[in-house]
Amino acid sequence: GESVGLHLPTLSVQEGDNSIINCAYSNSASDYFIWYKQESGKGPQFIIDIRSNMDKRQGQRVTVLLNKTVKHLSLQIAATQPGDSAVYFCAENGGATNKLIFGTGTLLAVQP
Amino acid sequence: EPEVTQTPSHQVTQMGQEVILRCVPISNHLYFYWYRQILGQKVEFLVSFYNNEISEKSEIFDDQFSVERPDGSNFTLKIRSTKLEDSAMYFCASIGLAGGLGTDTQYFGPGTRLTVL
Repeated sequence: GESVGLHLPTLSVQEGDNSIINCAYSNSASDYFIWYKQESGKGPQFIIDIRSNMDKRQGQRVTVLLNKTVKHLSLQIAATQPGDSAVYFCAENGGATNKLIFGTGTLLAVQP
Repeated sequence: EPEVTQTPSHQVTQMGQEVILRCVPISNHLYFYWYRQILGQKVEFLVSFYNNEISEKSEIFDDQFSVERPDGSNFTLKIRSTKLEDSAMYFCASIGLAGGLGTDTQYFGPGTRLTVL
């Protein structure tokens, strides 16, 4: 069945380093992907999105890369800050109703 | 900046009781969703709602669940007879679908933590 999953459950980085969070998806027909950040006790917060006709999209300190050949998505965070500490979810747009299919999540821990 | 709001932030109830979770989506949005997140797990889709009717529901969304948009602003999730396994965070989300990247993104509320005793 359809699924979106993550390679790493936890990632620990030093403040100032770059972070890379990875995600694999299984539905090759998916055309829209989103990264969300979730801080403890809060709802998912939109970070960046990308459509399947793109390979790369950049935001402020974040870049999403999409490799459709291997069905892989990554989120790069430049100069990681303590405020970036959170769980990061990739999500896949799951069809006509635009429901989201979420991955398991990666906990990013930024060490000062 | 417009945001999705949810009340209450925390609801404690006894097993078998009815609960209603409330959401106020972003005002010009057209599509509405409920998701559930059991502690430590991923966010799971429950139901989508458009044009005053359910457009899709998951296996989780059984006969004990219902949704309603009673007026132009509120969107509610009702659980008729709560079970222990209904304990979770419940998130409301909405989309405007105005076109373009970012504008068909689902924006989530802060969630309601439901604890069933």
